[in-house]
Amino acid sequence: GQQVMQIPQYQHVQEGEDFTTYCNSSTTLSNIQWYKQRPGGHPVFLIQLVKSGEVKKQKRLTFQFGEAKKNSSLHITATQTTDVGTYFCAGGNQAGTALIFGKGTTLSVSS
Amino acid sequence: ETGVTQTPRHLVMGMTNKKSLKCEQHLGHNAMYWYKQSAKKPLELMFVYNFKEQTENNSVPSRFSPECPNSSHLFLHLHTLQPEDSALYLCASSQEWRVPYEQYFGPGTRLTVT
Repeated sequence: GQQVMQIPQYQHVQEGEDFTTYCNSSTTLSNIQWYKQRPGGHPVFLIQLVKSGEVKKQKRLTFQFGEAKKNSSLHITATQTTDVGTYFCAGGNQAGTALIFGKGTTLSVSS
Repeated sequence: ETGVTQTPRHLVMGMTNKKSLKCEQHLGHNAMYWYKQSAKKPLELMFVYNFKEQTENNSVPSRFSPECPNSSHLFLHLHTLQPEDSALYLCASSQEWRVPYEQYFGPGTRLTVT
């Protein structure tokens, strides 16, 4: 079935360093959503990208959707300890009937 | 956040027990979902309900039985579970069941099957 691959699985950074997680699909996606799950918490919606090549920013977070709508990335500039958690991408299939979650990237930050 | 609530938050049950998980959403959404989250696995979609009607059943074993009496409430009835069913069970809701509506998750029920 359709899969959304996400890398890396884990990433540890020093506070102030940048962080990027990548999401890839073998098939064209209708849209991509990003969620954050804090340790012991539940996934919380961050943002959605729909258009080819779309870029959106939320403070230190930059989200991109590839031109072919098969990949996406989340980049965090100057990480802070509050950024700790697991970041999930979720791609919508072409029919718009299913949202497929990646395995997530778990970010840890040391001060 | 109190948009989607789940009870109980923690549950320990034996393999021969019968229990139910409850989910309630206060967002006026029409679609509700059950997910299973295990360690080192992606979120696994179990069931989808849209306007109380089940639209998805992703080959879930019959020991999991969902019930959706109305658009605000969703139950997951459990019976004769296996230890590998131990996981975090998340309920979510969205305005409509089709993409691209974002999903709002509840805090989850941490289930341990002994």
